[in-house]
Amino acid sequence: DTGVSQDPRHKITKRGQNVTFRCDPISEHNRLYWYRQTLGQGPEFLTYFQNEAQLEKSRLLSDRFSAERPKGSFSTLEIQRTEQGDSAMYLCASSDSPGTANEQFFGPGTRLTVL
Amino acid sequence: AQTVTQSQPEMSVQEAETVTLSCTYDTSENNYYLFWYKQPPSRQMILVIRQEAYKQQNATENRFSVNFQKAAKSFSLKISDSQLGDTAMYFCALRPGAGSYQLTFGKGTKLSVIP
Repeated sequence: DTGVSQDPRHKITKRGQNVTFRCDPISEHNRLYWYRQTLGQGPEFLTYFQNEAQLEKSRLLSDRFSAERPKGSFSTLEIQRTEQGDSAMYLCASSDSPGTANEQFFGPGTRLTVL
Repeated sequence: AQTVTQSQPEMSVQEAETVTLSCTYDTSENNYYLFWYKQPPSRQMILVIRQEAYKQQNATENRFSVNFQKAAKSFSLKISDSQLGDTAMYFCALRPGAGSYQLTFGKGTKLSVIP
């Protein structure tokens, strides 16, 4: 296992289109996180799964955003009716449990450009 | 609400010298975790060092150490014997001790190591 992977690495879309990103966590990790990082900013938390249950959602996650982790393994993040403001790097991370300060391992990200 | 502030957008250091990156934070929690993450250009984020708030001893990892001042809510990162590979964005992050696994990041400090 080589770490968290994300697909695609880059996505260019037109405003109004739907996009879906995939994240494959480290295999034994049952916690999975999505963050969004815009230019010049630190990552901002979007949502968190423990196994298949979505346990936390940020206010940033508008109705146009939906995330799933159906079998507790990979996760998808879908953005419907994309807007130019959705242009960002979408980062996925995973961690194991139980734990206290367990490290979140980040993937390389999917860079979304909305034209 | 938690906040993390990194007041140095950019810093530079000569190779083999020592540099300190600043971070202040605000939280109402008594127990929490602090992290420094490194994001090299076009590469994924990796953990540099972590500190548990209930531990008074400052964390160290090889050339990296922190100065954790809980009362002042300060968490600075010292890099000794700087190497060219240390060139990266450095993000300070905070996570509550219980009830949430989301990381709150600062805006980052861009560190350049000069040969």
